[in-house]
Amino acid sequence: EAGVAQSPRYKIIEKRQSVAFWCNPISGHATLYWYQQILGQGPKLLIQFQNNGVVDDSQLPKDRFSAERLKGVDSTLKIQPAKLEDSAVYLCASSSRPPGFQNTEAFFGQGTRLTVV
Amino acid sequence: AQKVTQAQTEISVVEKEDVTLDCVYETRDTTYYLFWYKQPPSGELVFLIRRNSFDEQNEISGRYSWNFQKSTSSFNFTITASQVVDSAVYFCALSEAPRGSTLGRLYFGRGTQLTVWP
Repeated sequence: EAGVAQSPRYKIIEKRQSVAFWCNPISGHATLYWYQQILGQGPKLLIQFQNNGVVDDSQLPKDRFSAERLKGVDSTLKIQPAKLEDSAVYLCASSSRPPGFQNTEAFFGQGTRLTVV
Repeated sequence: AQKVTQAQTEISVVEKEDVTLDCVYETRDTTYYLFWYKQPPSGELVFLIRRNSFDEQNEISGRYSWNFQKSTSSFNFTITASQVVDSAVYFCALSEAPRGSTLGRLYFGRGTQLTVWP
């Protein structure tokens, strides 16, 4: 079974530039998450999709971050304009059901490491 | 307030030693789930275990074992006879499941960097 695919693996941009990350979840997984992991910290949820609908974006800085999941499969996360503090690893995860529901867990991709200079 | 606390930032052991990673959580929900994930240098998070709040039975899987104690809100992880390949960052996480909710966000601790020396 193919895992969660993310691209690019690494990205370096200057502050105030824009950047986009792409995620392809495991086939058939309805739930997709974007997490931000700042160096030395645990991942923090940015947004959660159930199919193509947003169910939790309470931690997403909406003035600069946006995400979409058209057709309920692939997803893109965009930052515009980027700030220095956005330097982090952006992890995409998917699950067949929300985590915590019976017999499921979230599968994570390798992440995109963003450096803002 | 931090929902998941991993007080140990870094632990170093020598191969074949046993090591316990601590995790303390905080929630007001009666139904919740606890997880452990491993993050090797490659970066992806690897699922290790999930426990629900109604099942306090300890679990053993090979060299891994988990001790869940609701009385102390702890979910500790022990690696027996550690190996160099166990070197990674280990995260404890909590998912709350309020009645009727479909939300399933994971609250992660800050992680414990485990280094196993040969």
